[in-house]
Amino acid sequence: GQQVMQIPQYQHVQEGEDFTTYCNSSTTLSNIQWYKQRPGGHPVFLIQLVKSGEVKKQKRLTFQFGEAKKNSSLHITATQTTDVGTYFCAGRINYGGSQGNLIFGKGTKLSVKP
Amino acid sequence: NAGVTQTPKFQVLKTGQSMTLQCAQDMNHEYMSWYRQDPGMGLRLIHYSVGAGITDQGEVPNGYNVSRSTTEDFPLRLLSAAPSQTSVYFCASSYGLGTGELFFGEGSRLTVL
Repeated sequence: GQQVMQIPQYQHVQEGEDFTTYCNSSTTLSNIQWYKQRPGGHPVFLIQLVKSGEVKKQKRLTFQFGEAKKNSSLHITATQTTDVGTYFCAGRINYGGSQGNLIFGKGTKLSVKP
Repeated sequence: NAGVTQTPKFQVLKTGQSMTLQCAQDMNHEYMSWYRQDPGMGLRLIHYSVGAGITDQGEVPNGYNVSRSTTEDFPLRLLSAAPSQTSVYFCASSYGLGTGELFFGEGSRLTVL
């Protein structure tokens, strides 16, 4: 089936360092969403990207959607201990005009050393 | 607004037992879904529903049944639990398939011995 690949699987950073996670799809996506899951918690929606080349910012978080709408990235500037958690991308494919289910990447688990 | 409510939060079963995970949402969402989360595997779609009376299979449907008799409720049934079904289960809803963000419940941790 269709897959969304996400790398890296784990990332350990020192507080204050930057962090980036990447998602790639072999198929053009109609949109991509990002979620954050704190340890022991449930996924929480962060943002949705729809347009080719779109860039959105939320404070220290920058989200990008590739020109071909096949890849996306999440970049966190100057990580803080509150950024700890697993970040998931989830892509949606358009099947002949009908939207499909979200396909989740396997997530990147971020740990931050104070 | 309670959002998406899942029960129970924790459950231990013996192999072969049956049980139902409950999911309810109070946001009048048409789309509801069940995911399982296993270490290193991300979130995998089990079943989903685009409205009352309509259900369909996701990526990993075997061993699970669902029904959607009302807009609010979407229970997940394990007919004969197996150790391979040990996992954390999340129910999620959204306004519609292909529309908007998913709202997740807090999860149900199931252990099958």
